[in-house]
Amino acid sequence: QKEVEQNSGPLSVPEGAIASLNCTYSDRGSQSFFWYRQYSGKSPELIMFIYSNGDKEDGRFTAQLNKASQYVSLLIRDSQPSDSATYLCAVTLRDDKIIFGKGTRLHILP
Amino acid sequence: DAGVTQSPTHLIKTRGQHVTLRCSPISGHKSVSWYQQVLGQGPQFIFQYYEKEERGRGNFPDRFSARQFPNYSSELNVNALLLGDSALYLCASSLARSTWGYTFGSGTRLTVV
Repeated sequence: QKEVEQNSGPLSVPEGAIASLNCTYSDRGSQSFFWYRQYSGKSPELIMFIYSNGDKEDGRFTAQLNKASQYVSLLIRDSQPSDSATYLCAVTLRDDKIIFGKGTRLHILP
Repeated sequence: DAGVTQSPTHLIKTRGQHVTLRCSPISGHKSVSWYQQVLGQGPQFIFQYYEKEERGRGNFPDRFSARQFPNYSSELNVNALLLGDSALYLCASSLARSTWGYTFGSGTRLTVV
């Protein structure tokens, strides 16, 4: 059973600080990795994707990938109250399906 | 440009009934996937269709079925509804392979009573 593991949280971070979200995955054949943001009662929204080892930055968001450790992370700099949401880690399996973790609830404290 | 559209947005059904959920992908997208999301959990993969053929099926009973039409829209059917089928059903579309990730519709909230 291929899995994606995330700490469910909640993770509480002061406004303006860096939020760090982590994820591990079990399928060594995974090639594509995604972070989705989901507000309560809404559908998931793709915010970052990464394919290569290392860092990928987009505005206040940085995704980090380490395939050897099967580890993906998301850093959110200068956290804002509007960043409060559930963050879902997702990976593509060898058969092209995308599976999701259970999500980490992030709460930005004003 | 219209995003992924799903209908209906909310639905209440009785145990044992049948339900059909509908999805229209983004124009030009040929792949549609269905997910079930129970409160507090991540989306669980149900089906993936590409070019009208089933490309994958998750660990769901045979009560769940789906199909994709020539215009790439899709239906998810659930027979003999159980209370445990109450969930948010999400449709996601992509151009072809999942390399670039999926775009989700707003979902159908199904309540089984």
